[in-house]
Amino acid sequence: GENVEQHPSTLSVQEGDSAVIKCTYSDSASNYFPWYKQELGKGPQLIIDIRSNVGEKKDQRIAVTLNKTAKHFSLHITETQPEDSAVYFCAAKTSYDKVIFGPGTSLSVIP
Amino acid sequence: GAGVSQTPSNKVTEKGKYVELRCDPISGHTALYWYRQSLGQGPEFLIYFQGTGAADDSGLPNDRFFAVRPEGSVSTLKIQRTERGDSAVYLCASSLFGVNTEAFFGQGTRLTVV
Repeated sequence: GENVEQHPSTLSVQEGDSAVIKCTYSDSASNYFPWYKQELGKGPQLIIDIRSNVGEKKDQRIAVTLNKTAKHFSLHITETQPEDSAVYFCAAKTSYDKVIFGPGTSLSVIP
Repeated sequence: GAGVSQTPSNKVTEKGKYVELRCDPISGHTALYWYRQSLGQGPEFLIYFQGTGAADDSGLPNDRFFAVRPEGSVSTLKIQRTERGDSAVYLCASSLFGVNTEAFFGQGTRLTVV
């Protein structure tokens, strides 16, 4: 079945440094890749997404890259701030509209 | 409201009891998803509705779990004969139809089976 893997499971960075989270997916028909941020006690919130016809997308301090051949996609956060601390989930949407999530990365930004 | 609303926010029930969890999606969103999230894990897909019909229910763990969406809007997740292992946060999301559309999540219902 469909599967999304995510690494690392935990990540600790100094404020101002960059953070990178990497994901792989198994369903080659997947064509939409959202990234969600989840704070304690809240539902996941979309922070950026990328579609299969695009290799890279940037929104201020956040960027995503997609390599469809290798079935890899990554989230890059630059100039990290303490408020970036949260759990981040990558996901892949299959051709049947099912959204499969990775296991999550707990990011801590140390002031 | 403008967002996805889930009620109740917290539910404590005794083992063996029946529970219903409600989801009010964003108005006009035809797609609705239910996920289950255990502590420290990513959301686990349960079921997906397109309109009134369940397009994919492959994630429901067993026949104690059932979900309906009779009018294509509000959905109810029903769990019979609850077990302690059912304790988790149950998340609902909705989106417009289409493979490239964003899913908006509710705050979730925290279910505790004692």
